[in-house]
Amino acid sequence: GQQLNQSPQSMFIQEGEDVSMNCTSSSIFNTWLWYKQDPGEGPVLLIALYKAGELTSNGRLTAQFGITRKDSFLNISASIPSDVGIYFCAGQLSYKLSFGAGTTVTVRA
Amino acid sequence: GAVVSQHPSRVICKSGTSVKIECRSLDFQATTMFWYRQFPKQSLMLMATSNEGSKATYEQGVEKDKFLINHASLTLSTLTVTSAHPEDSSFYICSAIRQNSNQPQHFGDGTRLSIL
Repeated sequence: GQQLNQSPQSMFIQEGEDVSMNCTSSSIFNTWLWYKQDPGEGPVLLIALYKAGELTSNGRLTAQFGITRKDSFLNISASIPSDVGIYFCAGQLSYKLSFGAGTTVTVRA
Repeated sequence: GAVVSQHPSRVICKSGTSVKIECRSLDFQATTMFWYRQFPKQSLMLMATSNEGSKATYEQGVEKDKFLINHASLTLSTLTVTSAHPEDSSFYICSAIRQNSNQPQHFGDGTRLSIL
């Protein structure tokens, strides 16, 4: 698969704080996806972005598909303890997904 | 919503055993399913694309004789790890795409394979 650069690698934040993470790629994707994975489980889709420039929200989550189609960010507002987990970005071309390395979020109550 | 079921969730077996993992789409038909492998603290790596009624397409470096994939129906794909060895121990995850849709991939809950 193609390489996606996801940052930060990990975050340790206070409950109530906002969280930001992003992904960049040297290649263009048609779709950007954000997934959350809890230990021992499969990834769960959070947000899907289909158009360059698209800004989409899902509750406290907001994500954007970059204009160049080579990047995307995810914001989590007012973090709560259940936001703990690993967040993955994924770029899709045709049906194939390429995943970022993941951002591990730890929330301190 | 789209639900993908994976079974078993955990397997522990001796070296040399062949292990079969099932991936089912429960409420939709999936022309295409995908098999991923994930090592601890790492991302998901695509192993192969499974197409109903045809041979799977394997990613570079994945041994097709080692990881046998069968997609006999629109709701079931199986991955068989043949003659498994300790280095095959990993978390295997499948995903599926709803037939004739542009919906994103939905993932199963994964199978933790431990080879002793």
